[in-house]
Amino acid sequence: SQQGEEDPQALSIQEGENATMNCSYKTSINNLQWYRQNSGRGLVHLILIRSNEREKHSGRLRVTLDTSKKSSSLLITASRAADTASYFCATGLPNNAGNMLTFGGGTRLMVKP
Amino acid sequence: DAGVTQSPTHLIKTRGQHVTLRCSPISGHKSVSWYQQVLGQGPQFIFQYYEKEERGRGNFPDRFSARQFPNYSSELNVNALLLGDSALYLCASSLRLRGNEQYFGPGTRLTVT
Repeated sequence: SQQGEEDPQALSIQEGENATMNCSYKTSINNLQWYRQNSGRGLVHLILIRSNEREKHSGRLRVTLDTSKKSSSLLITASRAADTASYFCATGLPNNAGNMLTFGGGTRLMVKP
Repeated sequence: DAGVTQSPTHLIKTRGQHVTLRCSPISGHKSVSWYQQVLGQGPQFIFQYYEKEERGRGNFPDRFSARQFPNYSSELNVNALLLGDSALYLCASSLRLRGNEQYFGPGTRLTVT
């Protein structure tokens, strides 16, 4: 079963525009992470935000976390064609003995040049 | 430093056969996790090993097994392959046991015919 669900499932924008992807989850979490995947290859870690944090930035990326609504958003500003990829949110649960991540189904982002 | 490496890149097997997939973590990382990603879906957690001990197991049948070696590399074994085992198998390494970002390898694409 999937803990996180991304919305929208697919997003198409023009280069230079901002892209916003949302993630909702069902249970309490320890942390939430965003990953990028290009064409069925390995995942690239983007940002980790802990349950006691509300916002984090990394370059053109901005992640927010609202634990009361069990939701997170990933904003990519000034998008580039190279940002075309699938983006996944993944949650780490507080009662985990280890580092298991539960992924959502992903948002497929296409940035048109 | 080299990232996470996986071998082989691609593999074609017949139903009923078994397969062994290999993973080398980033130098210094003691945790290795395995994920299965079926086409069009997010990755699903299979196992985590830390310091050569199993620390987590996902909802997969006993046909799936894994181990971690003293040098922290890992093998994933799948017996009695089914068509539904066709997927991208991803290995991820992390520095600590829990609550931290994971670094993924490029994956092994397994096709079962």
